[in-house]
Amino acid sequence: QPVLTQSSSASASLGSSVRLTCTLSSGHSGYMVAWHQQQPGESPRFLMKIDGTGRYNKGSDVPERFSGSASGAVRYLTISNLQSEDEADYYCQAWDRNTWVFGGGTTVSVL
Amino acid sequence: QITLKESGPTLVKPTQTLTLTCSFSGFSLSRFGEGMGWVRQPPGKALEWVAFTLWSDDERFSPFLRSRVSFTKDISKNQVLLTMTDMDLLDTATYFCVHRAEWGWIDYWGQGALVTVSS
Repeated sequence: QPVLTQSSSASASLGSSVRLTCTLSSGHSGYMVAWHQQQPGESPRFLMKIDGTGRYNKGSDVPERFSGSASGAVRYLTISNLQSEDEADYYCQAWDRNTWVFGGGTTVSVL
Repeated sequence: QITLKESGPTLVKPTQTLTLTCSFSGFSLSRFGEGMGWVRQPPGKALEWVAFTLWSDDERFSPFLRSRVSFTKDISKNQVLLTMTDMDLLDTATYFCVHRAEWGWIDYWGQGALVTVSS
């Protein structure tokens, strides 16, 4: 099963952009990944899934400022025009027919 | 619209058995491709996969919990019970019930149920 590596934290100014990374372990670069947002004190929320080509599909009511991309074994989540409500933990998730795997999460701070 | 809600005890003692109920709507576990599962989150820590079950009755468990976890399904009530035996202090966590999209990712989350293990 894959291992997912995320940076522990990221920060950016209000209105700017931030790009989060989720790196798949060796031998698993073809896996799709899902991104989930967890605002403080809330349950997680599905944002999107991304395949190895960078094609992504967002969940219901996910703002347009959230987008996804991919390069090799890395899956990206980009938040444009950063808003205060985007301060949250972001987790990537991979899966196969037998397992679910989560990254360690990235805490995004809006300056 | 898919919704899920967890219910169960908030406090259990070490070595006891935990049973959590997930009540859901908007899908049926008897329909091809459907699935649901459980994810937990210890206080201040990251998400951890517990288990999932499919429409086909296939079940998959985290290797770290496989020997302690089981499912009971009530298709007519749209409920799934998660049973975890021999609870330990390290099992203190918020337990989330989730919907598994047909090809495997999680696309809906319940509100979560905090379970504290303490004597």
